Amino acid sequence: EAQVTQNPRYLITVTGKKLTVTCSQNMNHEYMSWYRQDPGLGLRQIYYSMNVEVTDKGDVPEGYKVSRKEKRNFPLILESPSPNQTSLYFCASSFGGSASSYNEQFFGPGTRLTVL
Amino acid sequence: DAKTTQPPSMDCAEGRAANLPCNHSTISGNEYVYWYRQIHSQGPQYIIHGLKNNETNEMASLIITEDRKSSTLILPHATLRDTAVYYCIVRAALGGTSYGKLTFGQGTILTVHP
Repeated sequence: EAQVTQNPRYLITVTGKKLTVTCSQNMNHEYMSWYRQDPGLGLRQIYYSMNVEVTDKGDVPEGYKVSRKEKRNFPLILESPSPNQTSLYFCASSFGGSASSYNEQFFGPGTRLTVL
Repeated sequence: DAKTTQPPSMDCAEGRAANLPCNHSTISGNEYVYWYRQIHSQGPQYIIHGLKNNETNEMASLIITEDRKSSTLILPHATLRDTAVYYCIVRAALGGTSYGKLTFGQGTILTVHP
């Protein structure tokens, strides 16, 4: 089944304890992206990756890191989490390696993170 | 990417058509209009997209004005399961300088009533 998976789905942690949220897709997509969703603010893009070893900032990259060492995985790293990073996080992927307009994003199920 | 403006909420009776508007007055020539929806806190789901022609698929129709400054998503026979947040976004085609960066906005909360 074609899908985007995220782990963990739920996480409660404490301020300053480094964590990684994994994202993996099995559709051979070039493009991957991370979003956070907060009440009243909608979905905001954190980072995106056009392909392996190519990443760029979205609208709210502060406090986050990403890496794209292989096509299927795009982990989100919080080196020193703070309470304002408590949020619902979504990973997404789409095609993007060809000159096509069709780039529907497939979203993962979300990771609910609480930083105490 | 061009910004979009949507009404914060709309209501619709079950079985009737739901027409969700979106303004994107600063859209540029190579930007596509995409619609997604999000049910509860699930991951958003793709609905439809278009450039300048009207589009239809099994889920919905997309009507884009001739000047491309606005569009309307039409759910022809809304059901209770269509209650969701609907997002209109614009995105450059691959090769555009802003292809990767996306702004979803807050969307329209559509409530379908029995």
